[in-house]
Amino acid sequence: DSGVTQTPKHLITATGQRVTLRCSPRSGDLSVYWYQQSLDQGLQFLIQYYNGEERAKGNILERFSAQQFPDLHSELNLSSLELGDSALYFCASSVGTGAIDTQYFGPGTRLTVL
Amino acid sequence: AQSVTQPDIHITVSEGASLELRCNYSYGATPYLFWYVQSPGQGLQLLLKYFSGDTLVQGIKGFEAEFKRSQSSFNLRKPSVHWSDAAEYFCAVGNNFNKFYFGSGTKLNVKP
Repeated sequence: DSGVTQTPKHLITATGQRVTLRCSPRSGDLSVYWYQQSLDQGLQFLIQYYNGEERAKGNILERFSAQQFPDLHSELNLSSLELGDSALYFCASSVGTGAIDTQYFGPGTRLTVL
Repeated sequence: AQSVTQPDIHITVSEGASLELRCNYSYGATPYLFWYVQSPGQGLQLLLKYFSGDTLVQGIKGFEAEFKRSQSSFNLRKPSVHWSDAAEYFCAVGNNFNKFYFGSGTKLNVKP
């Protein structure tokens, strides 16, 4: 158990809908990262937040957005969902903001878009 | 552009045999390099990382990796594989802008 929690574990929705994925980092960690893992594209870095502020952006679509709240939990919002958004979405957390800081991954949220 | 290549999609080794998983990266400066392991239905777990210093890095679970700048490689090794090592292994590269790029993964099967 990494100490990172993600809810829900599974999510099934329809095209065009909007969903919110939630992540609680390990106690004491200030950084949260979001990743997408799909069969087509593999594992892709989406975005990083550190202490409430966006720190780095990867291959995140404009239909996707994220935020980190004062209690340090983070939410990833996916809107206008398409079939191709079906994937496993991971959250990871780390103490600091450096690329070399160890990231601890949550168990993931499996999103299925029908 | 940064990229990571793991040329082996599947590898099967016998229990007790040695293991080497290959990883090649493309990055202009000195990269931050990582190896992760993912068991079925689980998140990723960091095995080891490299950012400077000794090019032979020791990790958890008896794994090690060697950074070879001249070959742009960061291969993962283990002298004796256990059945519990069966999983998928990902190599990743990070940069000073906190962006991360992952390889496509290598699935390891362990024969009894």
